Amino acid sequence: GAVVSQHPSRVICKSGTSVKIECRSLDFQATTMFWYRQFPKQSLMLMATSNEGSKATYEQGVEKDKFLINHASLTLSTLTVTSAHPEDSSFYICSANPGLGGAREQYFGPGTRLTVT
Amino acid sequence: AQSVTQPDIHITVSEGASLELRCNYSYGATPYLFWYVQSPGQGLQLLLKYFSGDTLVQGIKGFEAEFKRSQSSFNLRKPSVHWSDAAEYFCAVGDDAGGTSYGKLTFGQGTILTVHP
Repeated sequence: GAVVSQHPSRVICKSGTSVKIECRSLDFQATTMFWYRQFPKQSLMLMATSNEGSKATYEQGVEKDKFLINHASLTLSTLTVTSAHPEDSSFYICSANPGLGGAREQYFGPGTRLTVT
Repeated sequence: AQSVTQPDIHITVSEGASLELRCNYSYGATPYLFWYVQSPGQGLQLLLKYFSGDTLVQGIKGFEAEFKRSQSSFNLRKPSVHWSDAAEYFCAVGDDAGGTSYGKLTFGQGTILTVHP
């Protein structure tokens, strides 16, 4: 149980285009999902917290207009990187929290490797 | 603000040897602590977690960790390392998801484990 999927696993796009990454909780409902970014040989940095039916909460320094997050249902959150540039190339990982209350463990997706050329 | 420090960037051990990965945290209240493992190009897998109670927690794959409040530490241990344990290990502290924090995780920098045959 507690499986989180991401799609696509890898994507290459040209500079200036937009890319959408999907995060799905396959066997549970996730009221909260998180989006992380990981640069090579570095740790995970939280980008934003996504709550079903409401606006995402972004961490300091993360551009809201560049990284659009939508959590339209209890099993799906999407991250759209708009007008992507080479510096946006990174490994994006989502995680899902089954419910509110208490620091429940998060279940992580397998990640999406974005390369912007 | 909460923080996590993993002092060792890279550790090398021989197969069959014991292992201890260090983790120190800073958090204002009782911490929720986690260890995750990440294989190259993959998402994160939860090894174990500490919320409360017994300070020695057992996890998957033969790992255990001990919470020491006086030292603000949550070190990960394994008595005998297998070659398949080679990966990157992340310690994380989670917000008590009261209010609107929803259990955000703050990760340490990670420790890369290399296992020699």
